[in-house]
Amino acid sequence: DVKVTQSSRYLVKRTGEKVFLECVQDMDHENMFWYRQDPGLGLRLIYFSYDVKMKEKGDIPEGYSVSREKKERFSLILESASTNQTSMYLCASSLQRYEQYFGPGTRLTVT
Amino acid sequence: AQKITQTQPGMFVQEKEAVTLDCTYDTSDQSYGLFWYKQPSSGEMIFLIYQGSYDEQNATEGRYSLNFQKARKSANLVISASQLGDSAMYFCAMRPGDAGNMLTFGGGTRLMVKP
Repeated sequence: DVKVTQSSRYLVKRTGEKVFLECVQDMDHENMFWYRQDPGLGLRLIYFSYDVKMKEKGDIPEGYSVSREKKERFSLILESASTNQTSMYLCASSLQRYEQYFGPGTRLTVT
Repeated sequence: AQKITQTQPGMFVQEKEAVTLDCTYDTSDQSYGLFWYKQPSSGEMIFLIYQGSYDEQNATEGRYSLNFQKARKSANLVISASQLGDSAMYFCAMRPGDAGNMLTFGGGTRLMVKP
């Protein structure tokens, strides 16, 4: 079974802090994705990566950056957290154009 | 730009009955893929079913089937014989034809199964 893990299920940070969300997959997938999920808006793509050190902006990249130094790990970085970044963050991975496998999510609260 | 619309924010269904969750999409691509995911209260997204735009037959996976009507741009999910464990959020998503593997998601439908 594909396993996608995220470093934290729940996280509370203060405004202005630098926040790292880590995602690891164990199936050698080329593609990795970061989404945020907000009620009524579904999932919105923040960034994705199709190879090590390669990244592409999604629909809502503002305020975020990403890092992919190893194939299995994809990190989402909030350089200076703000309250409007309070959300559920979901990581996913996939082979080429097949279905995406998701991690359990990180619920981030910025106060 | 692609857009996915799920018009039912919430639905109830009686246990053991069938239910249809609506999904319409908007795209100018000829080739695309349609997905349905389930999200239980635990939060993890679970892949349910996939339909390719050139697939002539509707996709089926166990109790799940996808009612694909290409001309109407709809991809409704049908769950037969609902179970209590089917209570969850359901998301429809689309992958554009040639844009890697990015997905555009709808806003979701919360399904509640009544005993």
